[in-house]
Amino acid sequence: DQQVKQNSPSLSVQEGRISILNCDYTNSMFDYFLWYKKYPAEGPTFLISISSIKDKNEDGRFTVFLNKSAKHLSLHIVPSQPGDSAVYFCAATVQGAQKLVFGQGTRLTINP
Amino acid sequence: DGGITQSPKYLFRKEGQNVTLSCEQNLNHDAMYWYRQDPGQGLRLIYYSQIVNDFQKGDIAEGYSVSREKKESFPLTVTSAQKNPTAFYLCASSISAATYNEQFFGPGTRLTVL
Repeated sequence: DQQVKQNSPSLSVQEGRISILNCDYTNSMFDYFLWYKKYPAEGPTFLISISSIKDKNEDGRFTVFLNKSAKHLSLHIVPSQPGDSAVYFCAATVQGAQKLVFGQGTRLTINP
Repeated sequence: DGGITQSPKYLFRKEGQNVTLSCEQNLNHDAMYWYRQDPGQGLRLIYYSQIVNDFQKGDIAEGYSVSREKKESFPLTVTSAQKNPTAFYLCASSISAATYNEQFFGPGTRLTVL
């Protein structure tokens, strides 16, 4: 039972354009969401997070949007750069639950 | 240079053999975690440890065992009871159990059972 789903295994975007990565969840108890970025042969690194009391969080080129009614979050990268090419995982948790639930990941490729 | 070390990067074992994956951190973190990643699936939690000499089962603990005798080390043993051991294994740590949503990951070990 996949509680966090990233339905697009891959995404290709031209350099300079906007990249939008999507994530859906089924557990309405989740109240904290994160995005991790993973390069080949490296472990995932934290990118950005959002609490369920907010609907948007911005950090430089990265913005995460949360739509609680739709149980959907998205990560926007503007403008996309070649160094953004990586696998992106969304994760969710119930605060205090001691564990993160991860999606399957989306491989983003930025084309020059 | 602080971080998490997992060795080796690639590991091959014959079916029926136990194998231990190493995870060492010099971040002085109390909490440590083991995840498994399979193609098309997210990271799934195997075991976690909030503090030395303590650990709890995650979502898919069957066929695995861990120990936490030292703060910096959290080895994972994949036993012959694990039905599908071939996977990519990731170790992570966080400052404490309370900061479990701020995990730092190692580079991973790819285990192939032949």
